[in-house]
Amino acid sequence: KAGVTQTPRYLIKTRGQQVTLSCSPISGHRSVSWYQQTPGQGLQFLFEYFSETQRNKGNFPGRFSGRQFSNSRSEMNVSTLELGDSALYLCASSLSGQFLTDTQYFGPGTRLTVL
Amino acid sequence: AQRVTQPEKLLSVFKGAPVELKCNYSYSGSPELFWYVQYSRQRLQLLLRHISRESIKGFTADLNKGETSFHLKKPFAQEEDSAMYYCALTNAGGTSYGKLTFGQGTILTVHP
Repeated sequence: KAGVTQTPRYLIKTRGQQVTLSCSPISGHRSVSWYQQTPGQGLQFLFEYFSETQRNKGNFPGRFSGRQFSNSRSEMNVSTLELGDSALYLCASSLSGQFLTDTQYFGPGTRLTVL
Repeated sequence: AQRVTQPEKLLSVFKGAPVELKCNYSYSGSPELFWYVQYSRQRLQLLLRHISRESIKGFTADLNKGETSFHLKKPFAQEEDSAMYYCALTNAGGTSYGKLTFGQGTILTVHP
């Protein structure tokens, strides 16, 4: 079974631009979560989508948004990029998004650098 | 608010020695705890979860609600255990959809 895939793997943008990252979950998984990983803050939850609906959201500004398509693929968008948005963005998928018996599988991440 | 603390950023042991990676949490609800591991050049992956009460690759973890801890232990460390280890928490009621709260991680190095 193919794992979670994320594209692109690396991105370089300048301040003020916007960026869209893509995530394809494991086949059959309907829950997709996004995390931001930085050296200072570690892994922080951005949001989760299930059946095209955002069910949960972390404490990030409105510049961070996402969506999910009917095939469960998800995108996240960051508008008006700031230097502090430089990070590894991880996507994770699971069957249900509820982890007592379900498992969240992580992708390799997209490394975003904002200059 | 929920918080996971891993007090050791780096931990070094010799092969065959016992290892304990510490994890403390604060959470007002009923928590479910996990350990995730990331080996060099690999993805973050689940090592074990509290609810399963299982031992994976010789690792075990006990939830101590009194001390709000979920330390990861292995009696005899192996070189292949060298990795980054993350402790993570979610709501046991299953309402924190898709969300895990992670600690900052501990880099374990097992020397030959």
